[in-house]
Amino acid sequence: EAQVTQNPRYLITVTGKKLTVTCSQNMNHEYMSWYRQDPGLGLRQIYYSMNVEVTDKGDVPEGYKVSRKEKRNFPLILESPSPNQTSLYFCASSFFGANEQYFGPGTRLTVT
Amino acid sequence: DQQVKQNSPSLSVQEGRISILNCDYTNSMFDYFLWYKKYPAEGPTFLISISSIKDKNEDGRFTVFLNKSAKHLSLHIVPSQPGDSAVYFCAASARHAGNNRKLIWGLGTSLAVNP
Repeated sequence: EAQVTQNPRYLITVTGKKLTVTCSQNMNHEYMSWYRQDPGLGLRQIYYSMNVEVTDKGDVPEGYKVSRKEKRNFPLILESPSPNQTSLYFCASSFFGANEQYFGPGTRLTVT
Repeated sequence: DQQVKQNSPSLSVQEGRISILNCDYTNSMFDYFLWYKKYPAEGPTFLISISSIKDKNEDGRFTVFLNKSAKHLSLHIVPSQPGDSAVYFCAASARHAGNNRKLIWGLGTSLAVNP
């Protein structure tokens, strides 16, 4: 089954404790992206990757890191999480560019 | 500044009737538009898209209309079914930084289809 998977689905952590949210797709997509969704602000792009070893900042990259060492994986790293990073996070992928993207189920992160 | 606006946060329609969801945009560089549907506890799923060279695209019960002069698009669902109850996001795309494309999202409209 073609899908984008994210882990964990839910995470509660404390300020400053490094965490990684994994994202994996099995569709051989070149493009992958991370979004956060917040009430009243909609979906905002954090980082995206056009291909392996090619990543770039989205609209709200501060406090996040990503890497794309393999085509299928695009982990999101929070080196020192803060409460303002409490949000719902989505990973997405597509064959090319930012158009018809497939989304993962979301990761709800709470930072206390 | 919201470049893609969905001015109705919610919409309620009766089963079998038409649902019309609206979206306005401000950037004339947008040349590709998409609608996504999102159920609770799931990620958005792609529904239908339209290129700026067209004014209509149809896929089963879903039709998207584009009015470039008004910078307005709408999604029509006919007939509406209870399973269509979800949040609908409008998104617009323009070329960005070479061959890349950037998606700008609206805030969504929550559709409730009542039996």
